Amino acid sequence: KNQVEQSPQSLIILEGKNCTLQCNYTVSPFSNLRWYKQDTGRGPVSLTIMTFSENTKSNGRYTATLDADTKQSSLHITASQLSDSASYICVVSSKGGSYIPTFGRGTSLIVHP
Amino acid sequence: NAGVTQTPKFQVLKTGQSMTLQCAQDMNHNSMYWYRQDPGMGLRLIYYSASEGTTDKGEVPNGYNVSRLNKREFSLRLESAAPSQTSVYFCASSENFGRLSSGANVLTFGAGSRLTVL
Repeated sequence: KNQVEQSPQSLIILEGKNCTLQCNYTVSPFSNLRWYKQDTGRGPVSLTIMTFSENTKSNGRYTATLDADTKQSSLHITASQLSDSASYICVVSSKGGSYIPTFGRGTSLIVHP
Repeated sequence: NAGVTQTPKFQVLKTGQSMTLQCAQDMNHNSMYWYRQDPGMGLRLIYYSASEGTTDKGEVPNGYNVSRLNKREFSLRLESAAPSQTSVYFCASSENFGRLSSGANVLTFGAGSRLTVL
């Protein structure tokens, strides 16, 4: 069964600090991995997508990495801001077979001033 | 350009009552989805419609029915609500279901509908 595990479940940091969120998956065969940001009371919004051949991709202060060999991804947030407080969800899709992406449970990030 | 619009945003029901959640998208997307989100569980797919005229069960379809009314609209119906259906429901759409796995397009979500069943 395809699974996506995220850690930590929750994280509290001070404004201006960096943090890294982890995502491990067992989805096979792998097609792509997306990180979504979900603000409180809103729907998830895509931050970035990683395909098999990509190791690192940046979107402003967000940098995603992918190690397809170990089936791990990370999302690094630099110089955190209060607006980064949200849930970050890792979503993995497979090639062929089921087209339905597999969602992780998310990491809840709280940035304190 | 509103994207994906869901109504209502909040609803309280008594056990056994029925209701319909409405969803409309204005992006000319072919595929639409209904998810539920529960604390600690992540998003789970209830039903999806790969294209107008088709619907299929997702991971947790029991207790729900759906209708793809036209290309823009996809509704979710609870015929006899149960407390276990207390959740936040999200509608989403994508350009093409078959291309989701390729990463060629992305899921666009609505703002959610919070349902409480007493």
